Amino acid sequence: DIQMTQSPASLSASLGETISIECRASEDIYSNLAWYQQKSGKSPQLLIYAANRLQDGVPSRFSGSGSGTQYSLKISGMQPEDEGDYFCLQGSKFPLTFGSGTKLEIK
Amino acid sequence: EVQLVESGGGLVQPGRSMKLSCAASGFTFSNYGMAWVRQAPTKGLEWVATISYDGSSTYYRDSVKGRFTISRDNAKSTLYLQMNSLRSEDTATYYCTIFDYWGQGVMVTVSS
Repeated sequence: DIQMTQSPASLSASLGETISIECRASEDIYSNLAWYQQKSGKSPQLLIYAANRLQDGVPSRFSGSGSGTQYSLKISGMQPEDEGDYFCLQGSKFPLTFGSGTKLEIK
Repeated sequence: EVQLVESGGGLVQPGRSMKLSCAASGFTFSNYGMAWVRQAPTKGLEWVATISYDGSSTYYRDSVKGRFTISRDNAKSTLYLQMNSLRSEDTATYYCTIFDYWGQGVMVTVSS
């Protein structure tokens, strides 16, 4: 199985700050990576797919990058509504596997 | 507007069965592979099963293989998850998803 190692587990950011979340795959996933935001009590929302493609309707302050085994999600200018949990998902090989999540809070 | 609406959850005893349904609308259901993803209370997301657009291929995580069956009825735009021999570790919110869109989730509690 492909292991997805996500870091950090938690993050506290000030309004307007730029933050990054990382996911490292245990083998090459060929950019088959998505990022999701999940707010408390809600279902996940797709932010980024194919490593760097912004889902329709997602603010442009969100961006994704990476290739091979290393991927990152960047939020350029933290907003209050960005608080929540963030997960990466590899879609390269079954079983599909998620990162363990990052809890993002406003400082 | 894409909608995925799960139903069929609740409290069930260990060893018993339960069937989840997911009614889809707002897109051409028969064109899309579908999946079930679960989330135990206060835990992360865990992929459970995927079915191809026509139902010809299915994939499961090891821990549910032989106990869970994913299926679909394209005429009814509905996805199913038959869960047998349920265990306490199957307790979770189960989401129906095409990964671009997710349902609101349905809670399954396995407890005596």
